[in-house]
Amino acid sequence: EPEVTQTPSHQVTQMGQEVILRCVPISNHLYFYWYRQILGQKVEFLVSFYNNEISEKSEIFDDQFSVERPDGSNFTLKIRSTKLEDSAMYFCATHGSREKETQYFGPGTRLLVL
Amino acid sequence: DQQVKQNSPSLSVQEGRISILNCDYTNSMFDYFLWYKKYPAEGPTFLISISSIKDKNEDGRFTVFLNKSAKHLSLHIVPSQPGDSAVYFCAATGGSQGNLIFGKGTKLSVKP
Repeated sequence: EPEVTQTPSHQVTQMGQEVILRCVPISNHLYFYWYRQILGQKVEFLVSFYNNEISEKSEIFDDQFSVERPDGSNFTLKIRSTKLEDSAMYFCATHGSREKETQYFGPGTRLLVL
Repeated sequence: DQQVKQNSPSLSVQEGRISILNCDYTNSMFDYFLWYKKYPAEGPTFLISISSIKDKNEDGRFTVFLNKSAKHLSLHIVPSQPGDSAVYFCAATGGSQGNLIFGKGTKLSVKP
């Protein structure tokens, strides 16, 4: 069964450093999302990406964040200068060709900013 | 502003009995609802969904009921099994937005 994969599974970084989180979507999926979950809180939407551009973003997704598909398969989330409050689980989710479809989530990357 | 609410943080059920997890929403633009199951340190796993044009969807032991007038949905698991123990998230989407809005989750414990 096709799966969304994410790397790394864990990342520890110093405050102010840049991190790149990677996602490999299910092949033939066209809609891509990043969500995060701070410990003890609910899953929150960050950004959606379709047709090589951002389609929606939340208030959380400020200028420190960016997304891209560098090689047509990977989908990345970059945090330019990490803050302590960026510590969270980051989940990638993807779905197919229709706007309203079930989103399938990856296993997540646990980011810890020290 | 919580658009999707799961008011029970936890639920404990005996194995073999029915588990009922509830979810309320406030945004009348929501037209597609999903339930996800999540284990610690893993991603949410899709369980079942329902479109607003339906009031019930069933898949094996899992049934989701939607009451649009009350803006309420519920997930029924019957019979409950110890392996069902996890956190269950209700999520919704609708209007022009494709992103999911999640509830805070309900931790289900199924005791043998």
